Amino acid sequence: QVQLQESGPGLVKPSETLSLTCTVSGYSISSGYYWGWIRQPPGKGLEWIGTIYHTGSTYYNPSLKSRVTISVDTSKNQFSLKLTSVTAADTAVYYCARELGGGPDDYWGQGTLVTVSS
Amino acid sequence: DIQMTQSPSSLSASVGDRVTITCRASQDIRNDLGWYQQKPGKAPKRLIYAASSLQSGVPSRFSGSGSGTEFTLTISSLQPEDFATYYCLQHNSYPPAYTFGQGTKLEIK
Repeated sequence: QVQLQESGPGLVKPSETLSLTCTVSGYSISSGYYWGWIRQPPGKGLEWIGTIYHTGSTYYNPSLKSRVTISVDTSKNQFSLKLTSVTAADTAVYYCARELGGGPDDYWGQGTLVTVSS
Repeated sequence: DIQMTQSPSSLSASVGDRVTITCRASQDIRNDLGWYQQKPGKAPKRLIYAASSLQSGVPSRFSGSGSGTEFTLTISSLQPEDFATYYCLQHNSYPPAYTFGQGTKLEIK
């Protein structure tokens, strides 16, 4: 059974860097698939942040591209998100997910709330 | 960038009703569209992929249709567990640049 789990600080100060890791169990990232990050501000809709292929190829939301880096560590079976220069507008629940056939499929993390505040 | 316009933003319906939600794309996206259901405090769940293919394990009362720029999600007979928020997601762009619709909150009348 494939499982994903987000981890990282729940509170980040404005102008600093948000860093999250998604640990995958039950499947080896190096075997394939795309892996993505999606976020949801409190009470609002879903926003795709970016996607990484197991080879390391990355694709980012154009509106966030200048601040986002997604990387993969196949030795730890993890992929990570870094978002720089955060503001209150980056406060959201951040989800990681496996992607198949265009977009996330059946496997998501439970989500982690990151609050940007001093 | 491809924009997705989802309607209605909210909808009240009763158990047993037939419900339709629509997504319109700002340009032709062929059938590169999925539908997701999200319940409060939970991760979204994909119901439909490739516009009309039912995700494994999803009840057959859910169906999707459309291609090009107009797409619909239909729930043929609402069940109590279907009250949730629904999102469309387009994935036509290359390099990948997904766009979600704004969401439709389906509430009990």
